[in-house]
Amino acid sequence: QSALTQPASVSGSPGQSITISCTGTSTDVGAYDYVSWYQQHPDKAPRLMIYDVFKRPSGVPDRFSASKSGYTASLTISGLQAEDEADYYCSSYTSSSTRIFGGGTKLTVL
Amino acid sequence: QVQLVESGGGLVEPGGSLRLSCAASGFTFRDYYMTWIRQAPGKGLEWVSYISTSGTTMYYSDSVRGRFTISRDNAKNSLYLQMNSLRAEDAGVYFCARGKYSHTFWGQGTLVTVSS
Repeated sequence: QSALTQPASVSGSPGQSITISCTGTSTDVGAYDYVSWYQQHPDKAPRLMIYDVFKRPSGVPDRFSASKSGYTASLTISGLQAEDEADYYCSSYTSSSTRIFGGGTKLTVL
Repeated sequence: QVQLVESGGGLVEPGGSLRLSCAASGFTFRDYYMTWIRQAPGKGLEWVSYISTSGTTMYYSDSVRGRFTISRDNAKNSLYLQMNSLRAEDAGVYFCARGKYSHTFWGQGTLVTVSS
């Protein structure tokens, strides 16, 4: 199964908002509300930012929000801060009872 | 606090085997599905496998099915990944993570290098 499709890179200035898309198919993103988003800084373990499409774990700033429409999930970061610069990955449950990740998006805060 | 500590990584020749371990603490291990996720050097995350709470249900990615075996010992609060017939493309950092659908807690990872 191919990875979910994410843009390779996005960028924004401090204070601005950016959105990262994650496109799948009818057998993963389109089929289940088990989409999650992870933030990963260099040489660190990933951090869960969003689960079940739009839910935020405790401790994640409300600047991070997410949604899903059809086969595409989206992560929006508002009020960009320097510490948001990282790689972001989406992930979905699949109809094969497996999981799949997106290829990752590098966020640059200008 | 929740802790996941992987071990067992190292250098192995192509075709060789390695067994990774993940020691869990700070939560009721037997109540949670557990997952292995890997990351090749400079690449993205790749889901590898997960195992049910009882250890009776396991799923694998196409890339490792038939070569890797996930298991757990709830009495020892430990998760394992037996990796056989290793290939160069299996190299990377292997993370264990708690959960089936999403992962709040991750280990720090253990590095697997496959080279002759």
